[in-house]
Amino acid sequence: GAVVSQHPSWVICKSGTSVKIECRSLDFQATTMFWYRQFPKQSLMLMATSNEGSKATYEQGVEKDKFLINHASLTLSTLTVTSAHPEDSSFYICSAAPGQGARIYNQPQHFGDGTRLSIL
Amino acid sequence: SQQGEEDPQALSIQEGENATMNCSYKTSINNLQWYRQNSGRGLVHLILIRSNEREKHSGRLRVTLDTSKKSSSLLITASRAADTASYFCATANDMRFGAGTRLTVKP
Repeated sequence: GAVVSQHPSWVICKSGTSVKIECRSLDFQATTMFWYRQFPKQSLMLMATSNEGSKATYEQGVEKDKFLINHASLTLSTLTVTSAHPEDSSFYICSAAPGQGARIYNQPQHFGDGTRLSIL
Repeated sequence: SQQGEEDPQALSIQEGENATMNCSYKTSINNLQWYRQNSGRGLVHLILIRSNEREKHSGRLRVTLDTSKKSSSLLITASRAADTASYFCATANDMRFGAGTRLTVKP
């Protein structure tokens, strides 16, 4: 079945560091990937929709300069948390589905296992 | 804004009992999806039900959809301790999730 790999699974770093999280679709092409943030015991908050070859679409209230998204290939999207601070500590999850356009919304999403980011 | 909202927020049952979770949404949909999340992990897709379907089964899972009421329910029959997880619904329109239902199944 379709698999999405997310890396790293856990990262601890000092305040001010930039952290890159990778999301890969292993056996399908993904023109669109979704990035979520989740606080303990809360729901997933959609941060942005990553589009291959074009700019990401950010949700209201999400700083695009803070959370840089690059979707340079059909199998890889990256989220970089720039100059991370303790309030950026969270669980970040990506998802993707095969296909493109509206079709991706009419089939199951495949999620990575998430990245737990802790900023000291 | 969130499309799907689940209730109850938390549910605790004994092994062997059935668990029912509900999801309400606000606008027209093409389909609605249910996912499960174990603590500290990503989400796993359970069932996708299309807007022209009223009921769908997968093993011990049964999902219903009432588009007139803009609601869906997920029934887990004969629950097991391993079913302990958070369950979320999402409407296909925008892949946003509600707060989820935290299910605890006691052995």
